[in-house]
Amino acid sequence: DAGITQSPRHKVTETGTPVTLRCHQTENHRYMYWYRQDPGHGLRLIHYSYGVKDTDKGEVSDGYSVSRSKTEDFLLTLESATSSQTSVYFCAISESVGSSPLHFGNGTRLTVT
Amino acid sequence: GENVEQHPSTLSVQEGDSAVIKCTYSDSASNYFPWYKQELGKRPQLIIDIRSNVGEKKDQRIAVTLNKTAKHFSLHITETQPEDSAVYFCAASRGAQKLVFGQGTRLTINP
Repeated sequence: DAGITQSPRHKVTETGTPVTLRCHQTENHRYMYWYRQDPGHGLRLIHYSYGVKDTDKGEVSDGYSVSRSKTEDFLLTLESATSSQTSVYFCAISESVGSSPLHFGNGTRLTVT
Repeated sequence: GENVEQHPSTLSVQEGDSAVIKCTYSDSASNYFPWYKQELGKRPQLIIDIRSNVGEKKDQRIAVTLNKTAKHFSLHITETQPEDSAVYFCAASRGAQKLVFGQGTRLTINP
């Protein structure tokens, strides 16, 4: 299994508070991704990174920001959490974009009350 | 951009029977088509993938077929077992574009 660690695994937070989720990989893959998974919507891309300090938006990026200061770490921040951001968040990595498979972390279940 | 539609959203089959899940894609230039399996409470995991230069690929009881003309690809699971119960996702991409996922199919294997 790919070495991907997400933390925390579960978090409950209140509306309006900032939240940061962390993804750490030991595979030295260039590409890292954040997805959210909600019933009926499958996996939707929030942001991705194609290298240190190189990031771009996905299809559902509003309300989220990311940072990648090291190859192995990709952080997802909810600046001011809302109830609509209650979801399961998956980090993924890949060796290249588009033509190689994604390897997913175990997910973070976030509840915003 | 690419759009992937997956059908059916739920599928229930008797143990031992076959299951087929179909995905259609919109971008004729898409050339990479992976399938992921997600068991309850777990992460999605790649089970098989196919590239556009291949029409079919098999791995034991699972197979994927690709019809580039019709722009659809399908996952076939034969001799289904209880451990095949999961949500299955298809995805498509082309070149350096990011993967686009289908909505998922919840497969239930009835004993």
